[in-house]
Order: sequence, then structure tokens, then C-alpha cells
Amino acid sequence: SYELTQPPSVSVSPGQTARITCSGDALPKQYAYWYQQKPGQAPILVIYKDTERPSGIPERFSGSSSGTTVTLTISGVQAEDEADYYCLSADSSGTWVFGTGTKVTVL
Amino acid sequence: QVQLQESGPGLVKPSETLSLTCTVSGGSVSSDNYYWSWIRQPPGKGLEWIAYIYYSGSTKYNPSLKSRVTISVDMSNNQFSLRLSSVTAADTAVYYCARGVIDSSGYYSGAFDRWGQGILVTVSS
Repeated sequence: SYELTQPPSVSVSPGQTARITCSGDALPKQYAYWYQQKPGQAPILVIYKDTERPSGIPERFSGSSSGTTVTLTISGVQAEDEADYYCLSADSSGTWVFGTGTKVTVL
Repeated sequence: QVQLQESGPGLVKPSETLSLTCTVSGGSVSSDNYYWSWIRQPPGKGLEWIAYIYYSGSTKYNPSLKSRVTISVDMSNNQFSLRLSSVTAADTAVYYCARGVIDSSGYYSGAFDRWGQGILVTVSS
């Protein structure tokens, strides 16, 4: 089955930049989406279609894509950005697959 | 503001069928612009997409669960539902319902822009 691989954890100091990668063979052909999830809460969409930011999401969140890897970048990390982050994309049959998830810790 | 709310039993016995309903308020399940999904998350683990439905009745299922899952929509009550049969302890999870965006070209995007708060379902005798 199709897999989207993320690093288990990323640690960053306040004000620095966090980069979270997501790798998958179908990513050159399929859009990626990014979700933020805080403990006990439902996920929130922070990036859609690789690079687009929904209204209400701070500008410090951005997305990029290169080959089989997509990246979520959080510039000027704030304490409130501490959360789990999941990428989402589709396999060749159009089945949605979530990435393995990355825990972002703000030091 | 559209809101989604999951409901159903919090405890299901092994081998039985899990049944959940998502009630949509502030919007319509029969909208042309959205489709409706179920997503789950076992305690301490990651997210897993289960299935989606469009109000016309078209559906798509996660192949790993397809043999046990049925998703349906009830436009008269503005709800959609999930049934998962032959459950085991591995099906213990928080189950979320979510709204997916269909863009202007008819593409079913992965932008789930509204979620329910989630409901914990435990499979145990």
C-alpha cells in the first residue's frame, strides 16, 4: 500500500524556522495537503494543493513541492505552533493517504 | 458557520457492527461543492481516511477497510453515516467526520475544511 513518510519529530526554538518533509512516490502527480493537530482537537487544514494557504491561517505557514517530497515550512515559529502535523495525498487510485505524522516541539 | 457532530455508541463489542452518524448544521449535505468523509485515529497514533460520499450517492472506500465499511447519506435529516462490521480491538479509535472541498473543476480535493469534534469508539467485550 502507498505510504507517505514524515520525520517523527522536529524541534525548533521560538522565532526559528521549522521544516517538515513528506515523501511519497506519487507526489509529483498528486497534490499534497497539510494538517495541524493539537492534543484532544480535530485536525485543521493549514496548506492545500501543495502551496495554498486557507484564509485564517497565518502567513508563517507555507508549502512547497519538489519531486517526490513536499515540505511544510513554519517561519518564525511560535509556541502555539507546537502540535502534530500530517501530510495528506492520494495514491494512484485516488485513495486518500495520511502521512506518518510529525511532532513539532517548540523548545 | 457549518458544524459537524458525530454521534453513536462509545462502546462496541468485538465482532459486532460499529454505527456512527454525522449531523451537519449550518449547511447542506446536498451541496454541489462538498463531499463527506469519515477519518479515524487510534489512540496515540496517526490519521486514517476511511471513506467518502457525495450526496448523489457516489462513494469511495479505503481498500484496507472496504470489505467491512458502508457509508451512506440521509438528505432529509442532513446526515451521513458510517457502518463498520466485524470490529476488533484494532478498530478502537476516535472517529471524525469531515467535509471535503470539491473545486470548480470537479476535483475532489484533499482539503477537509470542516471537522467534527470526534467520537471515541472502544471495541471491547
